[in-house]
Amino acid sequence: DVVMTQTPPSLSVAIGQSVSISCKSSQSLVYSDGKTYLHWLLQSPGQSPKLLIYQVSNLGSGVPDRFSGTGSQKDFTLKISRVEAEDLGVYYCVQATHFIFTFGSGTKLEIK
Amino acid sequence: EVKLLESGGGLVQPGGSLRLSCAASGFTFTDFYMSWIRQPPGKAPEWLGVIRNKANGYTTEYNPSVKGRFTISRDNTQNILYLQMNTLRAEDTAIYYCATGFDYWGQGVMVTVSS
Repeated sequence: DVVMTQTPPSLSVAIGQSVSISCKSSQSLVYSDGKTYLHWLLQSPGQSPKLLIYQVSNLGSGVPDRFSGTGSQKDFTLKISRVEAEDLGVYYCVQATHFIFTFGSGTKLEIK
Repeated sequence: EVKLLESGGGLVQPGGSLRLSCAASGFTFTDFYMSWIRQPPGKAPEWLGVIRNKANGYTTEYNPSVKGRFTISRDNTQNILYLQMNTLRAEDTAIYYCATGFDYWGQGVMVTVSS
């Protein structure tokens, strides 16, 4: 199975600050079609996960451009610029290149 | 608007069975891969399996952690996704979600396996 290592496990940030979350995979996530199926999700308290970023760097529907994703092969980063109160929750990376699809362990974002 | 609504959860004894349903609307059901994903309380989600779309013959893939005990199926006339769960264990206790890939998720349904 592809292991997704996500860091840090938690973050505490003030409104308006920027933060980055890292996600590293044990194998390259480039699929045979040339695409990289690495996505980022946000699970707000008491809610289902919501897609933020798909295929490394593409914003999900309705997601503000304060969110951005970068990376390639085995090393990926989610950046949140100008954190807002509504951004609190747990962020997960997930790979959908290799069966079985696997999630990172999550990064809990708290607002100071 | 895409909507996914799970049902069928509840309390079941170890060794028992349960069938979850996911009613889908707002999109062409047969065009989409559909997944089941679960999340134990306080833990990360775990992908359980997928059933492909019409163009890919509605074939399935499973996580080995549930393969042989869980079965994913779909009723393409009623736009319903199913998860048949047999020989349930305490470690199957979780919120179960259906999802279209990772784009859209249902609200989830709780399954508790306990005597």
